[in-house]
Order: sequence, then C-alpha cells, then structure tokens
Amino acid sequence: GAGVSQTPSNKVTEKGKYVELRCDPISGHTALYWYRQSLGQGPEFLIYFQGTGAADDSGLPNDRFFAVRPEGSVSTLKIQRTERGDSAVYLCASSLTPTSGGINIQYFGAGTRLSVL
Amino acid sequence: AQSVSQHNHHVILSEAASLELGCNYSYGGTVNLFWYVQYPGQHLQLLLKYFSGDPLVKGIKGFEAEFIKSKFSFNLRKPSVQWSDTAEYFCAVSGMDSSYKLIFGSGTRLLVRP
Repeated sequence: GAGVSQTPSNKVTEKGKYVELRCDPISGHTALYWYRQSLGQGPEFLIYFQGTGAADDSGLPNDRFFAVRPEGSVSTLKIQRTERGDSAVYLCASSLTPTSGGINIQYFGAGTRLSVL
Repeated sequence: AQSVSQHNHHVILSEAASLELGCNYSYGGTVNLFWYVQYPGQHLQLLLKYFSGDPLVKGIKGFEAEFIKSKFSFNLRKPSVQWSDTAEYFCAVSGMDSSYKLIFGSGTRLLVRP
C-alpha cells in the first residue's frame, strides 16, 4: 500500500483480556517500529524489527507485551492480561534499513487507539 | 538520560503571526533531529530533519528549524502561519549509534485563529 496501515483503528477491551494489533508497513521497508502514545505525551519507543527479528525490544514495558514479524513484513503487537494503564494509541512506523551513518526516516501509521475498561 | 523537552504545550496565534516552537534535547553523542506534525485526524508526518551539514534546515510548507549544538536546541520557525497550520508538533531526536530509536518530546498544540 501507499502508507503504513494499522488495524483496527480502535479497540475496546475489558481488563484481563488479550488483544492483538496489526501493522502492515510500506512495501519494501525492512525496518518496522512500534511506539506507544499516552494522552498528552509524545510517542515512546517499544520495539524495532529489522527483517523478521527484533533488534531492540528494550521499550516493551513488561512481559505482557510481545511482538512478532514472522515473514519480515506484517507485524502483530500482542498484549496479554490487559490493564487499564495499557490504554493508549499504539503507533507503527516503517523505514528502509537504517544506514551506518544514522540516516533513518520513519513513516508512521494512523495508530490503533486501545481502550481498556 | 536521553530526553527531549518542548517548552510550550499550547500556543495560540492569529493568522500571519510568526511562529517559534522551542525544542531542547539531552543526548550524549552525535544526534539526528526531527520535527513531526500531526494534523487533526491524521497520522504523524515528517516536517523536516537534520542529519548533518547546514544547521539551518528547511522543510515543507515554509517551516524551517535551526540546530544550535551549543544550546542543544532545534527550534521550529515559520514567518507567517496559516489557519491550516493548526496541528500538534513533535520534536524528536535519535542518536547516530541508535538511529532507529526516536525519542519524542511531549508535543506542542498550535491553534491558528483565522
């Protein structure tokens, strides 16, 4: 597609439930990122994939959060036993492979707004 | 710790007024700097970026930003704003050694009155 696509755009769930959020990156982009944006804050880094592997998952807040990218394209962010504090907009971004000189432009999707009741 | 500070959370201007949004960062090492914009109901879009070279960078829609290394600043400017510039603006930094990880400020909401 022309841009980064995220589904669903909105997700309402109950505390304790499991959710999956999907990201479809720009075609040809090998790098994929997840960020979380809480109300009144800027996006916070969660995880970075280069191809199929998670190159840096240091931003995942705890072991309830997990992300996969099995074929190096679409990625799924999975949250187990959701808590009210998980309510936020989850953003996905993609880019070409970051260069050794640090040049990296990330393109963002519209996000999934997760509400945990 | 690595961080980005945006001093103004809300800015209200009349059309044709000049704009300057402050951004200061804390990061040890060489940095890349970005301004992203989010128009109402839309996704984050890149406004401009600095990787190296001329510290005065020009972006889309008449925006520019100046990297002042000694002040750890990357302020965004526009000489004459339009109603269509109403949006939220985010400053972000990444390190040359971890260019994949953007660190964002908390954003500035700009309202331009016609």
